[in-house]
Amino acid sequence: NAGVTQTPKFRVLKTGQSMTLLCAQDMNHEYMYWYRQDPGMGLRLIHYSVGEGTTAKGEVPDGYNVSRLKKQNFLLGLESAAPSQTSVYFCASSYSNVGAEAFFGQGTRLTVV
Amino acid sequence: AQSVTQLGSHVSVSEGALVLLRCNYSSSVPPYLFWYVQYPNQGLQLLLKYTTGATLVKGINGFEAEFKKSETSFHLTKPSAHMSDAAEYFCAVSGSGGYQKVTFGTGTKLQVIP
Repeated sequence: NAGVTQTPKFRVLKTGQSMTLLCAQDMNHEYMYWYRQDPGMGLRLIHYSVGEGTTAKGEVPDGYNVSRLKKQNFLLGLESAAPSQTSVYFCASSYSNVGAEAFFGQGTRLTVV
Repeated sequence: AQSVTQLGSHVSVSEGALVLLRCNYSSSVPPYLFWYVQYPNQGLQLLLKYTTGATLVKGINGFEAEFKKSETSFHLTKPSAHMSDAAEYFCAVSGSGGYQKVTFGTGTKLQVIP
């Protein structure tokens, strides 16, 4: 049972490069989320989606774009990476938007040099 | 608006001792409250949650938490710590109406000393 799968697990980028992080869930969840985790700051919501074809901004959306073309996939893009985007990125999904458990992927550790 | 405050970024307990991780929240609507655990190099997984009903909530691995509205608290406890409990714990809050995003605390790292 895969749950939420993120690829890649690790990546090093040079400043200005672009990349896409892929999140796939096999639980038929409507809601999907991208978070970043930084020491001492907990998890901060970057973008989220309430269903196929929808996206919305979270609390730290600048420098990121997302797409949800298929229900099971949620892509996070960095158009021009900056050192401030060095972080661990987590994708999560849930079946409901109210009081539901979020299922998390294993994370992607991104370093921008 | 909502927020979560976790008191103590690091907590150390001896194996077999009581675990108490503190969480206070603020929310303008009745809250839903969660505790998640993160083991090294892994994603978060749900320990327990409070939505409605009984204010004492039991979760996995012997953990429990009590929702105290008057104190706006949702502290996590376990009677006897085990070495395998060493991890980072996150308290989270969301509202109870419509779409309400989840706000996470900054986390508490639990160290268990043999």
